[in-house]
Amino acid sequence: AQSVSQHNHHVILSEAASLELGCNYSYGGTVNLFWYVQYPGQHLQLLLKYFSGDPLVKGIKGFEAEFIKSKFSFNLRKPSVQWSDTAEYFCAGNTDKLIFGTGTRLQVFP
Amino acid sequence: DTAVSQTPKYLVTQMGNDKSIKCEQNLGHDTMYWYKQDSKKFLKIMFSYNNKELIINETVPNRFSPKSPDKAHLNLHINSLELGDSAVYFCASSPDRVVNYGYTFGSGTRLTVV
Repeated sequence: AQSVSQHNHHVILSEAASLELGCNYSYGGTVNLFWYVQYPGQHLQLLLKYFSGDPLVKGIKGFEAEFIKSKFSFNLRKPSVQWSDTAEYFCAGNTDKLIFGTGTRLQVFP
Repeated sequence: DTAVSQTPKYLVTQMGNDKSIKCEQNLGHDTMYWYKQDSKKFLKIMFSYNNKELIINETVPNRFSPKSPDKAHLNLHINSLELGDSAVYFCASSPDRVVNYGYTFGSGTRLTVV
């Protein structure tokens, strides 16, 4: 079955720490992958997306993600997090409809 | 201007009632979706319409009925509400059914069934 999985359920960091959130997908064919962020009480916002070309994708707010086909992964990174990055992060992908991973709750403390 | 707007933002109702949630997008997109986010933040697609035609209908109780009067609107009607229907419901849209454009989400409707 086509799926997207996130193994980090809850990540706690101090400001200025580096961030990497894992995402793996399990389906073949055309791969479209996304990272969304949901700030507390708000809707989902698109951080970045990959559908072809350069496997290193840069998004908004200093985030980037790398598509590694051999590892079926699309991990999200940020070199230095801020308190305002506290949110829920969702990896998503699929070919005919968007399916989401279970999300990773990021808490950043000053 | 809000790109994808949902009403109401909050909805508290008793078990057994019937309620509707409305969604409108002003992006000119052809495809619209309903997602349910449960208490553990898990997001699951429920329905999708492309230019008023139902194209995705996941395993959802038939108490849930979507309606799309035109491609800019997708409403969700829920009959005989149950406690387990409590969740946040998100509407989304995309230019067409090709996923790689990404979806634009509304701000959600928090439904609480008591």
